[in-house]
Amino acid sequence: AQKVTQAQTEISVVEKEDVTLDCVYETRDTTYYLFWYKQPPSGELVFLIRRNSFDEQNEISGRYSWNFQKSTSSFNFTITASQVVDSAVYFCALSEDRDDKIIFGKGTRLHILP
Amino acid sequence: KAGVTQTPRYLIKTRGQQVTLSCSPISGHRSVSWYQQTPGQGLQFLFEYFSETQRNKGNFPGRFSGRQFSNSRSEMNVSTLELGDSALYLCASSLVQGMNTEAFFGQGTRLTVV
Repeated sequence: AQKVTQAQTEISVVEKEDVTLDCVYETRDTTYYLFWYKQPPSGELVFLIRRNSFDEQNEISGRYSWNFQKSTSSFNFTITASQVVDSAVYFCALSEDRDDKIIFGKGTRLHILP
Repeated sequence: KAGVTQTPRYLIKTRGQQVTLSCSPISGHRSVSWYQQTPGQGLQFLFEYFSETQRNKGNFPGRFSGRQFSNSRSEMNVSTLELGDSALYLCASSLVQGMNTEAFFGQGTRLTVV
């Protein structure tokens, strides 16, 4: 069965600090997709990244970077030099190719303090 | 380009009533999926519609139903409302069918059942 665990319920850091959000997943499928979404106070989820199971390259987009490690079933997200606007709830999600459903982690609420 | 529009934004209903929520996807997007977000259960997939057909369904009772129109707009209906149905209902649209693609979310409809 598929499962996504975001062990960090809530994190608070001071602005300009780096912060890493953890995501551990479980799947029996060999083809799957991992996602990160950001949910600001306005409510809508904002897509950040999609990664398929065959692409283990790490990715960097500005201050955001993602570390995908199949050996540890983890897909961690790092924000470098955090800003107050990064305050939000962040969700990691998994979609398996065989049943085409998506499952979300419980989310990590990130507070960036000025 | 307009984003995903959900109406109404807020709704208060009484137990036993039924409710219909509306979602207008991004122009050109043919896939619409629905999610329920609660503090206890987190973000859960309800169903996906593509070309007016339900393509995928999560683990929700039959009281939750939906449909999609020829213009890709979608409605979600919940009958015989229960207190536990109080939640933020999010709609997302995608260009193609399937849960393994980037999705664009609306701001949600916050339903309160009293």
